[in-house]
Formats: sequence, structure tokens, C-alpha cells
Amino acid sequence: GESVGLHLPTLSVQEGDNSIINCAYSNSASDYFIWYKQESGKGPQFIIDIRSNMDKRQGQRVTVLLNKTVKHLSLQIAATQPGDSAVYFCAEGETSGSRLTFGEGTQLTVNP
Amino acid sequence: DVKVTQSSRYLVKRTGEKVFLECVQDMDHENMFWYRQDPGLGLRLIYFSYDVKMKEKGDIPEGYSVSREKKERFSLILESASTNQTSMYLCASSLRYFTDTQYFGPGTRLTVL
Repeated sequence: GESVGLHLPTLSVQEGDNSIINCAYSNSASDYFIWYKQESGKGPQFIIDIRSNMDKRQGQRVTVLLNKTVKHLSLQIAATQPGDSAVYFCAEGETSGSRLTFGEGTQLTVNP
Repeated sequence: DVKVTQSSRYLVKRTGEKVFLECVQDMDHENMFWYRQDPGLGLRLIYFSYDVKMKEKGDIPEGYSVSREKKERFSLILESASTNQTSMYLCASSLRYFTDTQYFGPGTRLTVL
């Protein structure tokens, strides 16, 4: 499944499938990007980040892809599990700045 | 593990009341942040602080003030609560630099009647 960031706030996948969550960012000067996961009733939790000198970065079961040409960021979750059900949102910022701009988020639901 | 705690999980106040939200972090972080989270709007920065007694306005500071008298504690104050301040309030802290990971507290859901 694929989510188009702010325009499709929900994504439903089957357990074991790969998930792709997308984010379109607005500031062409942004050079630092982060993905957060927020479970129900909890604060956001850092997942992975990437700087603009990279196109791809991998973590444990997660991969972030950055396409600066079209100002697009995606989070890929491999072998999605029920515990991955949460809201995922991206954040962008300039390393010369002092704040992040957060997207609205995408609700990921993993069906058993 | 970094721990960020917030004084209340749920709070109900009346219009015009003065409201204090407190945040404490236990990792000697220099930076602390207050955000509000609303459906369809994402997280918006209210204020942040990069040192004791230092504060900077975020994107939506109107109607709020902050206090940081000790490094580990960052308070958000609503001088006269209004219904449009009903929201989820999230506190975060980070070590030193802008690109250091921000660690969030569990949030306070404030309802202003």
C-alpha cells in the first residue's frame, strides 16, 4: 500500500506486507528530515532521520528515501507487524535553523 | 533512556483560568520545546528554550508564556485559558544541537470549557 502524505491520512495493510508512507515537504531549503511514530496515548517516538546529502538510509526494518528533486520523503516498513500500527509523520528542518516543521501524519493500521 | 514527563495526562479548565503545564526531563538536555497537536494541523511549535532562563517564540506563541528556571524543567503557562486552546500539548527535549533527536513526553490533553 502507499499513502500520499497529507492527502491520504490512512493506510491499511496486511500483517507481513511492506508499508510505504509518503510525505511531501514544502521548503526547498530543508536539509534535515525525520520520521516519527506516535502510538495511541503516547508521545511521538523518533524512528529514523536523513540529511539531504543522502538519498537513502536504512534502519531496523525501516528505510527512508529522499527525493530532493520533487521534495518527497518516504518511509518503508518491511514485514509490517501489528505493533507498527500508529500515526507516522515526517518533519523537516534546516540545520542552520532552530525548528522543525511537522506534517499531519498518516494512520497506519495493520490487519492480522 | 531519556525520560520526559509531563505533570498531567488530562486536564479540564474553565475559560479565563490560569493554567500551568509542567515538563521535566532527566537527561541534562539543553533544549526543551512545547508543541500543540491538533487534528489536521500536525505539531506546531509554541515556544522553545535552549538554556535556563532563555526562551524563543515558536510559530504560535500568542496566548502562551513559558518559564525555565531550572535546566530540567520547562513550564507552559496559559495566562487566561480560552476554548481555542483546547488541544493536546506535547513537551520535548533534545541534547544540544538542532539536529539532535527530540524526545517527547506522553502529552497533556487540555480541555477548556
